[in-house]
Amino acid sequence: GQQLNQSPQSMFIQEGEDVSMNCTSSSIFNTWLWYKQDPGEGPVLLIALYKAGELTSNGRLTAQFGITRKDSFLNISASIPSDVGIYFCAGHPGAGNNRKLIWGLGTSLAVNP
Amino acid sequence: DAGVIQSPRHEVTEMGQEVTLRCKPISGHDYLFWYRQTMMRGLELLIYFNNNVPIDDSGMPEDRFSAKMPNASFSTLKIQPSEPRDSAVYFCASSLLRSSGRAGELFFGEGSRLTVL
Repeated sequence: GQQLNQSPQSMFIQEGEDVSMNCTSSSIFNTWLWYKQDPGEGPVLLIALYKAGELTSNGRLTAQFGITRKDSFLNISASIPSDVGIYFCAGHPGAGNNRKLIWGLGTSLAVNP
Repeated sequence: DAGVIQSPRHEVTEMGQEVTLRCKPISGHDYLFWYRQTMMRGLELLIYFNNNVPIDDSGMPEDRFSAKMPNASFSTLKIQPSEPRDSAVYFCASSLLRSSGRAGELFFGEGSRLTVL
């Protein structure tokens, strides 16, 4: 099935550093979502974006819905050890009542304290 | 409020055995999704329900997989017979319909880790 191109696949950073990851698609989406998955848990929604160009923050996290509707990025400022996990982007074309999300393969983040 | 509840958390079985995974969605949510997660393929949508009715089962790998939602508070995913390649983490998620054009948030359970020997 269709998947989003998410990069980087993994990151290893020092505590306090800023982090940036992005997601691209070959098709247009009307919704972009960013989830985080901790080990042994299910993904948890961090940020949802519904308008092209929208910039939304959630604490130290900031995400943007690209103007072209084909990309999104997530930034984490001043990383801390609890930021460790896998970050997934997901998109939705918004066509009709289809509720299927298209997912990236994730960015694995490791933070060295 | 309780989140999405899945059981069992871990299941180890032998090839050929029947496996049943269970899910209780968040009360009031009208959509329920079953996902499978593997390292190689990431999160794959298997099937989703709206108001207990299966809407899209195109992700169900083959006839060995079946899912039911007999009421708004319970769903099962069954694999019969199981095979080693079915080993994965299976997630159930629920959501509440938002305004038209919005996919809405998914609330995931903790997952059921299945190992088929």
